Parts: sequence; C-alpha cells; structure tokens
Amino acid sequence: EVRLVESGGGLVKPGGSLRLSCAASGFTFNTHSMNWVRQGPGKGLEWVATVSSASNYIYYGDSVKGRFTISRDNAQNSLYLQVNSLRAEDTAVYYCARGDSSSSERPSDYWGQGTLVTVAS
Amino acid sequence: SYVLTQPPSVSVAPGKTARITCGGDSVGTENVHWYQQKPGQAPVLVISYDTDRPSGIPERFSGSISGNTATLTISRVEAGDEADYYCQVWESSDHYWVFGGGTKLTAL
Repeated sequence: EVRLVESGGGLVKPGGSLRLSCAASGFTFNTHSMNWVRQGPGKGLEWVATVSSASNYIYYGDSVKGRFTISRDNAQNSLYLQVNSLRAEDTAVYYCARGDSSSSERPSDYWGQGTLVTVAS
Repeated sequence: SYVLTQPPSVSVAPGKTARITCGGDSVGTENVHWYQQKPGQAPVLVISYDTDRPSGIPERFSGSISGNTATLTISRVEAGDEADYYCQVWESSDHYWVFGGGTKLTAL
C-alpha cells in the first residue's frame, strides 16, 4: 500500500522558517517524481514545487521561488520542503504527492493527508 | 502566467449527468488531469492524460477534449460525488504545473 505521511507543520511567525517532511512507503521511491501542493484556508490547490526521481530536475511555483527549497533523500524514502521567509499568505495545508513516474510532468496519483502551516504573529 | 478556467459551481440532480469544463490555451496541446477533493480529504486523481481513468475510479467518470476545452463528465451522479473538482496541466514550455480554480459539484 502506498503511504505518504507529512510532518513538520506548525505555527510560525512571519519571516520564520520550517522544514516539512514526507515519509514515503509502499513503493519504489527512487522511481517517482515528487511534488508539494498547498491549499490555503477556503482556497483551491496551488502547486508549490516538483523534484524528479533523481533530483536532476527541480521546479518551483512563482510565489515561492527563492524562499522554498524542495529536496529528497532516496536512501531514506523521504521528501522535504524547506520553507523560509514565511508570509501570512503561505498559511496552508501542504500536501506531499507522488508523480506517477520518474519525470516531472507526470500527474500526482497518490497524496498524503497534509500538514498545516500557519504563519501569524 | 498560464490560467485554467473552471466554473465555480455545477449543480445536477442525482442520477443525471454532470459536466465540468476546464478552458485554457494549452488544453489540447498539453495533457489535462482531473482531481476530486471531498471536504477534509486529500485530492484523488480521477482522470489522467485527458481521458484515462486510474484503477479504482468508477466508469461513470470520463474525460474528453474539444479544442481548448477539457470536460470531466460524471454520469449517473450520486450524492457521494459531491466534491470540489480541479483540472491540472503541466506547462511544458516554462516547466510548471497549473491548477484550475476548482468547481464545486452539488447533487441537488
């Protein structure tokens, strides 16, 4: 069974940082691209970042470029998102999602349950 | 930046057919994927690559493309189909994912 479990969310002040993690199991992690997608309260889905299976291709949404960093550790079956310089508008549930193959342009066929990041003073 | 346009809401009587559209310049040249999201739950992929139905998705769900518009069709709508539906496209020229704004499906 494919499982994606996010962690690391919480309450953080504007300008602060967090490191989100996603523990993957039930599939061969190093053969799939991975994504972070977020959803603000009462809002739609917003793509955040994507990393290909071997980390040779990494892409970011415009709203997070330069502040967030996606990475993965294939030996640990884990995906990460370092989020810096947080703003109120970054408040959202952050989902980890698996691409259905190794390259970046594949749809997300499995999603975790999300971790909530709240940015407030 | 690239935009995918969806109607905010669609209402249909149970047992009837719902059609949710997704318009954009790259629809027809890029693959469109559709997700269902029920309240408090993570999204679920219901249609991939314009018309493919992932394993476990009922045959009542289908996808189509005409010109610059993609359509998610749900036949014989059930109360359990009430959810938000999002279309998604990979913009290959600039390497980014785009989601439509989402459509809330209500079974009257």
